[in-house]
Amino acid sequence: GENVEQHPSTLSVQEGDSAVIKCTYSDSASNYFPWYKQELGKGPQLIIDIRSNVGEKKDQRIAVTLNKTAKHFSLHITETQPEDSAVYFCAAPPRGGANNLFFGTGTRLTVIP
Amino acid sequence: GAVVSQHPSRVICKSGTSVKIECRSLDFQATTMFWYRQFPKKSLMLMATSNEGSKATYEQGVEKDKFLINHASLTLSTLTVTSAHPEDSSFYICSASPGTYGYTFGSGTRLTVV
Repeated sequence: GENVEQHPSTLSVQEGDSAVIKCTYSDSASNYFPWYKQELGKGPQLIIDIRSNVGEKKDQRIAVTLNKTAKHFSLHITETQPEDSAVYFCAAPPRGGANNLFFGTGTRLTVIP
Repeated sequence: GAVVSQHPSRVICKSGTSVKIECRSLDFQATTMFWYRQFPKKSLMLMATSNEGSKATYEQGVEKDKFLINHASLTLSTLTVTSAHPEDSSFYICSASPGTYGYTFGSGTRLTVV
C-alpha cells in the first residue's frame, strides 16, 4: 500500500512569513495529491490538490508543488495569518487510484501574531 | 461545492450500548463513502469503505461486527458502533466525492463511551 510521510510535525512562523510542509509518497503510480486543513474538533477541509500531470498549482496564498521523480510534494503558504493556524494533512491514493486516501501524520502550524 | 453532512457531532453513551453515526452527501450521489477514525493528535486512519448496495470493505484490523456499516442509498451511509466500550471513544469522520477526486469530509463525530 501507499506510505505517506510528512514533515515537520510542528511548525511555528511569524505572521507574514511563509510556511512550507513537505510530504513523500512511496507508490509511483499515485496520481492525485490533496492537502487538507483541520481545525480543532472539525473534519478536514480540502484546501488545494494537484494531479500528476502538472508540477505546480497555486490558489491565492496557497500553492502545491509536485516532484514525481523524487516522489514528494509540498504545501506552500505565503503571507501567513493567525487564522492559518491548524493541523495540515497531505494525502495520496493507493495504487494510482483515488478510491480512498492514505494520510500523512499531520503538521501543526502555529502562526504567531 | 460538494457538501457532506455528518450527525451527530458529539455523542456520549454508556458501555455496552450501540451508537449510530450518519453520513449524508447533500448535493451529490455517492456510491462509495469512507469512514475514518482519528485519535487525539493523530492522523486519520481508514476504517472501511462503504459501498452502496453491497457489503462494506474493512481495513485490516477493523472488526466488522463491532463497526457495522450500511449504505442503503446513494446519499446515506451509517456507521454503528456496537456494544461500545471506552476504548472505542474517538473522533469518527466520513468522506465522499462526487467524482474521482476531491473528497469532502464530514464535520466528524466525537464519541465518548463512559
